Amino acid sequence: DTAVSQTPKYLVTQMGNDKSIKCEQNLGHDTMYWYKQDSKKFLKIMFSYNNKELIINETVPNRFSPKSPDKAHLNLHINSLELGDSAVYFCASSQDSGSRTDTQYFGPGTRLTVL
Amino acid sequence: DQQVKQNSPSLSVQEGRISILNCDYTNSMFDYFLWYKKYPAEGPTFLISISSIKDKNEDGRFTVFLNKSAKHLSLHIVPSQPGDSAVYFCAASGGYQKVTFGIGTKLQVIP
Repeated sequence: DTAVSQTPKYLVTQMGNDKSIKCEQNLGHDTMYWYKQDSKKFLKIMFSYNNKELIINETVPNRFSPKSPDKAHLNLHINSLELGDSAVYFCASSQDSGSRTDTQYFGPGTRLTVL
Repeated sequence: DQQVKQNSPSLSVQEGRISILNCDYTNSMFDYFLWYKKYPAEGPTFLISISSIKDKNEDGRFTVFLNKSAKHLSLHIVPSQPGDSAVYFCAASGGYQKVTFGIGTKLQVIP
């Protein structure tokens, strides 16, 4: 059973397109996150949702819009894709209120390539 | 601005020996530290953590040491096994929810 799943695993698209990445967790966790791992391998938090409410919104272009239809899902929609958006995007979840001591469980990642 | 630094991008160790992965941080507000392990094509998985009220935490073959005055922590793996070959991320937090990751150190354990 996959605890945190993401689809698609790979995404190749042209500049200017709009795309979405889906994330689902079956752990019953209350908090979900999106991270971006860029070409330099830094893993940076983008967003965090707790019970469908936005908790963390780092300095991310507003072309990125997370959507949480329920607490088991956190999707990432990206408008007008740019070359610099190419990266691996990881979804994660944690148990309670998103306390910083909660262990985060990561999905396998989505490798986005913008041509 | 790298608040969590892992200055060694890679490390090779013989099987059975000790692996020592190092991590430095700059933010004095950090008070909780974690190590995550990542295999290729998978997401990071939690390995071990330590609170700033401790200077050592042990879990089986894995021990994390924290030196607050030096703003330094290290992960020791003894004995190292080939299955330990992975990228190890150091992470730290000091505010509500936000966890800051280092760039990772790739460990190769040679049989």
